[in-house]
Amino acid sequence: RKEVEQDPGPFNVPEGATVAFNCTYSNSASQSFFWYRQDCRKEPKLLMSVYSSGNEDGRFTAQLNRASQYISLLIRDSKLSDSATYLCVVKNYLSGSARQLTFGSGTQLTVLP
Amino acid sequence: GAVVSQHPSWVICKSGTSVKIECRSLDFQATTMFWYRQFPKQSLMLMATSNEGSKATYEQGVEKDKFLINHASLTLSTLTVTSAHPEDSSFYICSARELGSSTDTQYFGPGTRLTVL
Repeated sequence: RKEVEQDPGPFNVPEGATVAFNCTYSNSASQSFFWYRQDCRKEPKLLMSVYSSGNEDGRFTAQLNRASQYISLLIRDSKLSDSATYLCVVKNYLSGSARQLTFGSGTQLTVLP
Repeated sequence: GAVVSQHPSWVICKSGTSVKIECRSLDFQATTMFWYRQFPKQSLMLMATSNEGSKATYEQGVEKDKFLINHASLTLSTLTVTSAHPEDSSFYICSARELGSSTDTQYFGPGTRLTVL
């Protein structure tokens, strides 16, 4: 089983639609959680961190359920510029001060005009 | 925000040759740099973690003699793919963590696309 699993999509939605992505992680000791977006042939860029209480940044809302080891991202009023691959990322704390990011394989979103 | 550069951005080489990729933190000092590899439609996979002045720590399944990592300064890490083969063709991305940062953020380079013929 992969450590971070995502619905691969692709999701093709019209402009203005609301779309939700899900992610599950297997390591119950994981400490921090993030959503990154990656455009085609580009590096991943941090979209937002995910907090236990849930958090919102404009049209983006992230939720974390530690008991279910489940993370979600909701995009409201989607724009053409939201088209990208969304990566669910988990940070694990290893021995000493070492920290490591583990990436999901991503969910591809295409917003259609 | 912090900037990480990679050079080259893309490279095409013949099978059997070695390719060196540079990762630089431009406006901060990086105590730790990470090297990832991403195959098409797959996730980023951590290859190794390098700390300035010490040997890199490789992930399971990554051959340290094939993927040589040197982190000689706080602003530069290099990854050399030795005797490259077509199966090494991939998108190689580095990231850097700022020395003394309280946020523990990793800043990603733009990636290097390697094609081995």
